Parts: sequence; C-alpha cells; structure tokens
Amino acid sequence: KAGVTQTPRYLIKTRGQQVTLSCSPISGHRSVSWYQQTPGQGLQFLFEYFSETQRNKGNFPGRFSGRQFSNSRSEMNVSTLELGDSALYLCASRSGYNEQFFGPGTRLTVL
Amino acid sequence: SQQGEEDPQALSIQEGENATMNCSYKTSINNLQWYRQNSGRGLVHLILIRSNEREKHSGRLRVTLDTSKKSSSLLITASRAADTASYFCATDVQGAQKLVFGQGTRLTINP
Repeated sequence: KAGVTQTPRYLIKTRGQQVTLSCSPISGHRSVSWYQQTPGQGLQFLFEYFSETQRNKGNFPGRFSGRQFSNSRSEMNVSTLELGDSALYLCASRSGYNEQFFGPGTRLTVL
Repeated sequence: SQQGEEDPQALSIQEGENATMNCSYKTSINNLQWYRQNSGRGLVHLILIRSNEREKHSGRLRVTLDTSKKSSSLLITASRAADTASYFCATDVQGAQKLVFGQGTRLTINP
C-alpha cells in the first residue's frame, strides 16, 4: 500500500504570494491532518479533515485554509505569505486504528 | 503550544547501548504515538500505545505508558548508527482529532 504523498516537495515563494500544497492519504484513509514544523515552534497542528468536513482547526490565522475532496485528497492554502510561514508542512492520514502516518512534507521557503 | 515535555532534549550514546527517552503530557489521551524524524524529513511512525495499555513492544522498541503520571518512555535496545534521528512523542488528545507533539529528543549513536 502506498504511503502518504505530498506535492510539491520544495517550494520557494516571495512575501505576499499565495501557495497551495497537496496531500494524498493512504488508500482507504478518510482523515487527513496538516501540521507545520519550524525550529522555533516545533510541530503544530493546523487542521483536520474527515469526509470533506473540517473537524478541528489549530491556532493559526485565517490566511491558512484547507479543504478535502471526495477522494480524501486534501489541499492547504496559505495566502499573503509572510517570512514566518517558512516551514516544513506535513500531512498525515489516520488509519482505522488511529495511527497517523505522515508524508515526506513540503519545504516552503518564503523570501 | 506543546502538550508536554520530552527528556532529555539530546542524547549521545555508543552503538550497541540502549537509549531511553521520556515524554510527559498534560491532558487525557486516547493514545500516544512515537515517531522518528531524520534531518527535517517526514515523520516515521514507530509505535502506538493506547491509554488502556501499559507496555508495548515492536522489534528493538519498548514503549511504556503511565496514565496516572501522564508519562511515557521509549526504549531502543542495541542501538545502531542508523537510529540517529530525532524522536517525538505525540498525544492523541481526547475529543480533539489532533496530535500534540513534544519538542523531541535528538539521539546520536556514535560508532
């Protein structure tokens, strides 16, 4: 069974731009979560989707948004990028046993 | 904010020795999961222990959970150079559909 995939793997943007990241969960997994990892704040929860519905959202500004499609694939969008948005963005899918498996991440650099 | 603390923040041992990492958390949990991360890559799922379990084994890994003390430990036996990585505990918080991570332990195995 293929693991969680994320695209793109690396992204360089400038301040003020917007970006869309994509995540495909493990086949059969319906829950997808997003996390941001930075050296200063560590791993922080962004949001979680299940069957196209956002069930929980972390403490991030409204510039961060996401959605989930009927095939469980998910996207997250960050608008009006700031330097502090530079981070590794990780997507995870949850199994029926509640194990969460992570993808390789998207490294976003904002210049 | 982080759910809990991991101890130690860094650990350096000789190949073949055992490594023990500890994790404390603050709220009620469904389960606790341990992950490994190599050099800013994705998180590799190691093991999940449910709140009603006290100990679990997987290969060279042994995890314990003490819900009365809100703490867990990860023991890696007979360490190898390839075990060099950062290790994170993550609590699956009751009613929240999210994982809350500790700040991680940086483990270095010296050949």
